[in-house]
Amino acid sequence: GAGVSQSPSNKVTEKGKDVELRCDPISGHTALYWYRQRLGQGLEFLIYFQGNSAPDKSGLPSDRFSAERTGESVSTLTIQRTQQEDSAVYLCASSLTGTSYEQYFGPGTRLTVT
Amino acid sequence: KNQVEQSPQSLIILEGKNCTLQCNYTVSPFSNLRWYKQDTGRGPVSLTIMTFSENTKSNGRYTATLDADTKQSSLHITASQLSDSASYICVVSAVENTGFQKLVFGTGTRLLVSP
Repeated sequence: GAGVSQSPSNKVTEKGKDVELRCDPISGHTALYWYRQRLGQGLEFLIYFQGNSAPDKSGLPSDRFSAERTGESVSTLTIQRTQQEDSAVYLCASSLTGTSYEQYFGPGTRLTVT
Repeated sequence: KNQVEQSPQSLIILEGKNCTLQCNYTVSPFSNLRWYKQDTGRGPVSLTIMTFSENTKSNGRYTATLDADTKQSSLHITASQLSDSASYICVVSAVENTGFQKLVFGTGTRLLVSP
């Protein structure tokens, strides 16, 4: 079946603008994760959704970052008033259920803030 | 502080040769350790997952080892191929009080296999 998809693949935005990144998880996967990967650095955990439970937002770097998920389907990551340090690849992953299971990653969205 | 350190940062080897990548971690309480391969412009793809009781696990030409006492892991690649050129990321899972397993990612080793 289809893997995790993300859109757009690339996004260039001006400093101060808001951006929305989209993630479509693998069908049937109840868990969804967002990560950020800055150039030359490791992945940073941002937020985790598991079914209808309250999301774990402990990795969000500031209140400019927020994410939503509709049921067990698509998720959007929103960055308000973007800053240059927000430039990174934003990766989404999904897993069957819970964090013990294998995570399958999407191709990522490369965000560049000018 | 939970940390995962990998070495070397980058590595160049000739096609057909073997290589070993290292991962040291200070993650507690430990749940499992994963190795991912990330091709340029792509998301990470899982190679192996090892729990506390597993010392070694193979996936084709990839063999991972785990020493939970010294908190070290290695990924050995045998008979390297050009397609092995990628970043290899070590990820350690820590169990939090909530039961959530937070993944701690290393910065990766960038491997280049040259013809």
